[in-house]
Amino acid sequence: QSVLTQSPSASGTPGQRVTISCSGSSSNIGSNTVNWHQQLPGTAPKLLIYNNNQRPSGVPDRFSGSKSGTSASLAISGLQSEDEADYYCATWDDSLNGHVVFGGGTKLTVL
Amino acid sequence: QVRLQESGPGLVKPSETLSLTCSVSGYSISNGYYWGWIRQPPGKGLEWIGNIHHSGTTYNNPSLKSRVILSLDTSKNQLSLKVRYVTAADTAVYYCARHFCGGDCYIEYWGQGALFTVFS
Repeated sequence: QSVLTQSPSASGTPGQRVTISCSGSSSNIGSNTVNWHQQLPGTAPKLLIYNNNQRPSGVPDRFSGSKSGTSASLAISGLQSEDEADYYCATWDDSLNGHVVFGGGTKLTVL
Repeated sequence: QVRLQESGPGLVKPSETLSLTCSVSGYSISNGYYWGWIRQPPGKGLEWIGNIHHSGTTYNNPSLKSRVILSLDTSKNQLSLKVRYVTAADTAVYYCARHFCGGDCYIEYWGQGALFTVFS
């Protein structure tokens, strides 16, 4: 059972805007920044969003992140077929000397 | 560009120790950042294992801490992971990763991953 809660699946059609949510608690999302990782089929994950809403160089601005309280969201606008992947939220948890925690992942299907 | 490459024996027997090495190129691990490991059982999600700084500071997943040993070899620019007393539940793709830690930590760069199977 993951510390952060994500819906197992999401879907959209090309061009649509989809949102993936991530829920946590006061010891993790409520106190720290949220990051999102994209895992394309058969590949290693890749950092997509850091510090709640910052994009590493090379990540299209179609991807955006936000955080409010103990929840966070990843939005993908202008959905493309190559966005079909698993998306994981992650953050730092202050309990037990501190450690990274992940969500269970959301599988995004582009219809 | 930072690159990380995992290596080690792909099979280990139950109750033995799984040993992995990650070779880093494009950055000297003695210059900073935290270096660590994440794993992903087949068909499942990501589980963070822990990270270590060249100063010796280490952070660990509380559920794995008692069985995990992390280390850095700055002379070889490598990080290592040992997981003791393995069971079938330790079968996973293991990723090494560079973490940025400043108040909190996040994973910046991932290795390509390597599958390690506990097999009797």
